[in-house]
Amino acid sequence: NAGVTQTPKFQVLKTGQSMTLQCAQDMNHNSMYWYRQDPGMGLRLIYYSASEGTTDKGEVPNGYNVSRLNKREFSLRLESAAPSQTSVYFCASSEYNNEQFFGPGTRLTVL
Amino acid sequence: GENVEQHPSTLSVQEGDSAVIKCTYSDSASNYFPWYKQELGKRPQLIIDIRSNVGEKKDQRIAVTLNKTAKHFSLHITETQPEDSAVYFCAASPPYWGKFQFGAGTQVVVTP
Repeated sequence: NAGVTQTPKFQVLKTGQSMTLQCAQDMNHNSMYWYRQDPGMGLRLIYYSASEGTTDKGEVPNGYNVSRLNKREFSLRLESAAPSQTSVYFCASSEYNNEQFFGPGTRLTVL
Repeated sequence: GENVEQHPSTLSVQEGDSAVIKCTYSDSASNYFPWYKQELGKRPQLIIDIRSNVGEKKDQRIAVTLNKTAKHFSLHITETQPEDSAVYFCAASPPYWGKFQFGAGTQVVVTP
């Protein structure tokens, strides 16, 4: 099992460009999450999907959109990237109120 | 919503000594309390967790204690080793679904 996979691993964007971060899990989990982690800081929840077909805002949703494509896949889209969105993005999945498994992360730099 | 505070933010210990990290939570409905370890440049990984029906759990050199009345829980690492150097995050989660509220993290440095 691959667990949680994310693509790309690294990305550099210019201000105003758009991109989509992809996440997939093969553990048949119902819940999926997107976090951002800034240097020296904790994990802040951007969006989550409690189950297939539902998505909801987390702590820092501004500037992002998500799509729960199916049970396996949960994507995060930046429509118009800003330097403040420079961060490491982690996707995670869980079976409801249990351990969250994290992907390897995407390092995004917005110039 | 849930709010989790974690202390200290940094912890420096001599190899072989013990390390203790403390977290408090606000939502009395929270019933799942995991601890994650994140090494530099890596993803967070679960090291131990505890549910609200248990007061203490131990796994080799790592233990977690939970005081539901006071709404705080702690991570204890005994006989620390250099490979214990990392950032540790606590989290609290309510029972209805798996949304975690993470603490801000503790940077642990173990010096030989």
